[in-house]
Amino acid sequence: AQSVTQPDIHITVSEGASLELRCNYSYGATPYLFWYVQSPGQGLQLLLKYFSGDTLVQGIKGFEAEFKRSQSSFNLRKPSVHWSDAAEYFCAVQSNTDKLIFGTGTRLQVFP
Amino acid sequence: GAVVSQHPSWVICKSGTSVKIECRSLDFQATTMFWYRQFPKQSLMLMATSNEGSKATYEQGVEKDKFLINHASLTLSTLTVTSAHPEDSSFYICSAASYNEQFFGPGTRLTVL
Repeated sequence: AQSVTQPDIHITVSEGASLELRCNYSYGATPYLFWYVQSPGQGLQLLLKYFSGDTLVQGIKGFEAEFKRSQSSFNLRKPSVHWSDAAEYFCAVQSNTDKLIFGTGTRLQVFP
Repeated sequence: GAVVSQHPSWVICKSGTSVKIECRSLDFQATTMFWYRQFPKQSLMLMATSNEGSKATYEQGVEKDKFLINHASLTLSTLTVTSAHPEDSSFYICSAASYNEQFFGPGTRLTVL
């Protein structure tokens, strides 16, 4: 069955520190992978996506993610976190029926 | 481009009443729209897939008679929560699909008293 695991429920970092949010997926074929960000009470904003090609994907707001097939991972990274990055982050895999399967999310807290 | 709107953004209703939520793709046509439900501090759970001109496909455990979905045009899908109860209080989010990507609306906060 297709699934997405985000092992970290809550992460706290200092402003300016680097960030890595983990995401592991289970999917039989080549996956379409996504990272979304959600601010409180808001909808989802797409940060980046991977369909094929270069396994290092650049997104908006300085985020990037690396697809590693051997590890079934698609971790999100940012070299220097800003206070405005505090939000909930969701990793998702798209199934062959175009449905999105979301992970449980990681809440990012940023300290000044 | 690829903007999706939802209306209303929040609604409070009495138990037993019905509430309609609209989802519109503003600058593109979407043959497929999705409806999600999100409980506080939890992930999004897919409720149903809405296809223009046909019946919606509901996920297991979602009552189709309670959550009525209509996708009458390529830019509009509606979700009606019928005979709402307090346990239906939640954040409802829609998305519209285009070229292998889903574009999400801002969500509707439903509170049933």
